Amino acid sequence: DAGITQSPRHKVTETGTPVTLRCHQTENHRYMYWYRQDPGHGLRLIHYSYGVKDTDKGEVSDGYSVSRSKTEDFLLTLESATSSQTSVYFCANRDRERNTIYFGEGSWLTVV
Amino acid sequence: GENVEQHPSTLSVQEGDSAVIKCTYSDSASNYFPWYKQELGKRPQLIIDIRSNVGEKKDQRIAVTLNKTAKHFSLHITETQPEDSAVYFCAASRREYGNKLVFGAGTILRVKS
Repeated sequence: DAGITQSPRHKVTETGTPVTLRCHQTENHRYMYWYRQDPGHGLRLIHYSYGVKDTDKGEVSDGYSVSRSKTEDFLLTLESATSSQTSVYFCANRDRERNTIYFGEGSWLTVV
Repeated sequence: GENVEQHPSTLSVQEGDSAVIKCTYSDSASNYFPWYKQELGKRPQLIIDIRSNVGEKKDQRIAVTLNKTAKHFSLHITETQPEDSAVYFCAASRREYGNKLVFGAGTILRVKS
């Protein structure tokens, strides 16, 4: 179990508004990730973090920013939401002992 | 960067038959290959994984094989059951580079009873 809680689970927002998705882990895992899932694309990495204040871009990072001020929280921000960012967003963490990645339950975002 | 291709995109089998899903990857340095199962509206769940120093791994009705030379790996499900119906994703990564998974596009598996 990932011990991950994502919030909000569902959100509808208007084009041009800022949106922040929160990922909270009860474990103390160093690595955390944000993926988006769209039909026909599988899951694609947006940003990831390898420690507090240590983040890096993934393959689809344009239009997104992240922050990690505490080990347990990893925030994903859409500065100005666009319809192309309508998607399901999954947070994940990495269990270093098992070297496996576990996903949270997802956040459904609709930009209208 | 890494690119993962997955086939087929949909697969229908009769209950009790076997199902095979295949993936190819492009980065010869990738060394970790997990498979995830995702039911409708749920999170992807890890079902099995394999490291590059192993050619095959089994867990009950599920097995994964890896051919490093050809850069492909496959998921085998035997004695399929209706509860195996889901979307299956393969992925590849380098463990030493943050284990950033690159996913295939997914396979919809339907098990008909």
